[in-house]
Amino acid sequence: GAGVSQSPSNKVTEKGKDVELRCDPISGHTALYWYRQSLGQGLEFLIYFQGNSAPDKSGLPSDRFSAERTGGSVSTLTIQRTQQEDSAVYLCASSSQGGLNQPQHFGDGTRLSIL
Amino acid sequence: AQTVTQSQPEMSVQEAETVTLSCTYDTSESDYYLFWYKQPPSRQMILVIRQEAYKQQNATENRFSVNFQKAAKSFSLKISDSQLGDAAMYFCAYLPQGGSEKLVFGKGMKLTVNP
Repeated sequence: GAGVSQSPSNKVTEKGKDVELRCDPISGHTALYWYRQSLGQGLEFLIYFQGNSAPDKSGLPSDRFSAERTGGSVSTLTIQRTQQEDSAVYLCASSSQGGLNQPQHFGDGTRLSIL
Repeated sequence: AQTVTQSQPEMSVQEAETVTLSCTYDTSESDYYLFWYKQPPSRQMILVIRQEAYKQQNATENRFSVNFQKAAKSFSLKISDSQLGDAAMYFCAYLPQGGSEKLVFGKGMKLTVNP
């Protein structure tokens, strides 16, 4: 597709369940980013991929959060044993190479609600 | 650590008028990028304008322009001839140099455009 695609658009799950969020970046973009946006807040960086490797995982809030990227394309963000404070919009972005000169293009996000 | 502050949580403007959104940031870096992103209810973050810190000339994109004051660490966005479609959340963001790829966002400001 022409833009960054995220699925599902909305996810409601019970506390304690695991969830997987998917991001399909713009074709050819090697850099991929995950952010979290809690209600009324700005975006909080989670993790950055360059190709399949993640040079910066510093934003992952706990070991319940993990992410992978395979084939230099699709990425999956997994949250294990979800807690209510995990409720947020999770946004994915991609850029053609990463770096200062390459703007990040965002998807529509996944709204995650933990009951 | 770098921080971005948007001190006004909400603003309103009359259609066709001009409005200025403020942003300040804190950094010890000398080279970096600054961005303004727009987030309509669709949730997608849309890049409005960006500024390279090494450039003294203020960036402009059609009705959007910035006032970049590097010494004051200020980066305001001016929207001229406001349109109803400009109504959205606006986020100021900072991208440091030096290998880190993560955008640092302010908490955002809600802009209402009145007809």
